[in-house]
Amino acid sequence: AQRVTQPEKLLSVFKGAPVELKCNYSYSGSPELFWYVQYSRQRLQLLLRHISRESIKGFTADLNKGETSFHLKKPFAQEEDSAMYYCALTDAGGTSYGKLTFGQGTILTVHP
Amino acid sequence: KAGVTQTPRYLIKTRGQQVTLSCSPISGHRSVSWYQQTPGQGLQFLFEYFSETQRNKGNFPGRFSGRQFSNSRSEMNVSTLELGDSALYLCASSSTGFITDTQYFGPGTRLTVL
Repeated sequence: AQRVTQPEKLLSVFKGAPVELKCNYSYSGSPELFWYVQYSRQRLQLLLRHISRESIKGFTADLNKGETSFHLKKPFAQEEDSAMYYCALTDAGGTSYGKLTFGQGTILTVHP
Repeated sequence: KAGVTQTPRYLIKTRGQQVTLSCSPISGHRSVSWYQQTPGQGLQFLFEYFSETQRNKGNFPGRFSGRQFSNSRSEMNVSTLELGDSALYLCASSSTGFITDTQYFGPGTRLTVL
């Protein structure tokens, strides 16, 4: 079974402070991990994925298979980063067609 | 490029009725996935269709069904509605449904069952 846990429902930081959104997963196979974001009154959209090893809007995430974690980090938070963030998992073997397993989400608020 | 569209945006039904929701993917996308979002369970995968074939299915009862047409538009149907079916139903489209493809989400259909 696949499970994604985001332990923080709410996270508040001040502008310019570092931010880390936690994501832990449980999966017996080979996982591929994603972060999705939903800004106010917008659709759910992909922020970044592990397979691309890219940095988007200053965010990075490292897959730690030993700790089964995929935490999202940004060194200096901006007010426009305020949003709901979802960590998601799929099977890296390619047989989980279109299936993403989501965590419960973390609401990030960046105060001025 | 137009995004994923879902119709209707809001629906109110009563218990025992059935409902059909529609999703039009981004042009050229052939994979459509459906998700149910509730405050208690979060986002849960319902099923995925590609070229009119269901390739993947989540853990939902048989009352939840779907189909895809030759133009890649997809519909999902819920029969014998229960109060617990009240949720936001999201669809997402991608080129092939493989992990290298980005899934693009629609705005959702808000279903309320009274």
